[in-house]
Amino acid sequence: ETGVTQSPTHLIKTRGQQVTLRCSSQSGHNTVSWYQQALGQGPQFIFQYYREEENGRGNFPPRFSGLQFPNYSSELNVNALELDDSALYLCASSLVGGSYEQYFGPGTRLTVT
Amino acid sequence: GESVGLHLPTLSVQEGDNSIINCAYSNSASDYFIWYKQESGKGPQFIIDIRSNMDKRQGQRVTVLLNKTVKHLSLQIAATQPGDSAVYFCALDFNNAGNMLTFGGGTRLMVKP
Repeated sequence: ETGVTQSPTHLIKTRGQQVTLRCSSQSGHNTVSWYQQALGQGPQFIFQYYREEENGRGNFPPRFSGLQFPNYSSELNVNALELDDSALYLCASSLVGGSYEQYFGPGTRLTVT
Repeated sequence: GESVGLHLPTLSVQEGDNSIINCAYSNSASDYFIWYKQESGKGPQFIIDIRSNMDKRQGQRVTVLLNKTVKHLSLQIAATQPGDSAVYFCALDFNNAGNMLTFGGGTRLMVKP
């Protein structure tokens, strides 16, 4: 098991609502990335945070936003939820300047109805 | 944009046999390639990685082969065990920083006892 934790484990929201997902990075890691994994597909990169700033972004609209805190924990916020946002949301932590290996958390399963 | 594909969605092997999982990619600029294993209900787990200046890298029971000429990556698992049953993803680092990844669609490996 990695040291990356995510909460909540499961979440059900209604279309149009907003959601906040949380991630606690592996100890000592200073970079966190978020991925969306639809059922039966590979993870898709949403964005990455380093030193509390967005460091890179995938092909996701602005209603997907994030935060990284001084203790390197992170949040993913999604506004105006759509049915297609239903997926497993994964965070992964890594250490810039160290090994390139990323450690993934177990994910949050979001269902939008 | 980058794309990563796998040749087979499902691979079934007998316990004790060797498994080979293949992956094709389109981004010739990528410098770093990784294989992940994802078991049901868990986040992806790092298996092995390889840089573009190498053709082959070996780990414990696993070998990754990289053919840059045809943009092909493979994962070989020796003496496949029931615990190897999972979905396997190849991924490439699209910004060469080791932590913004493009994943393929995944191959489900089923090990028959």
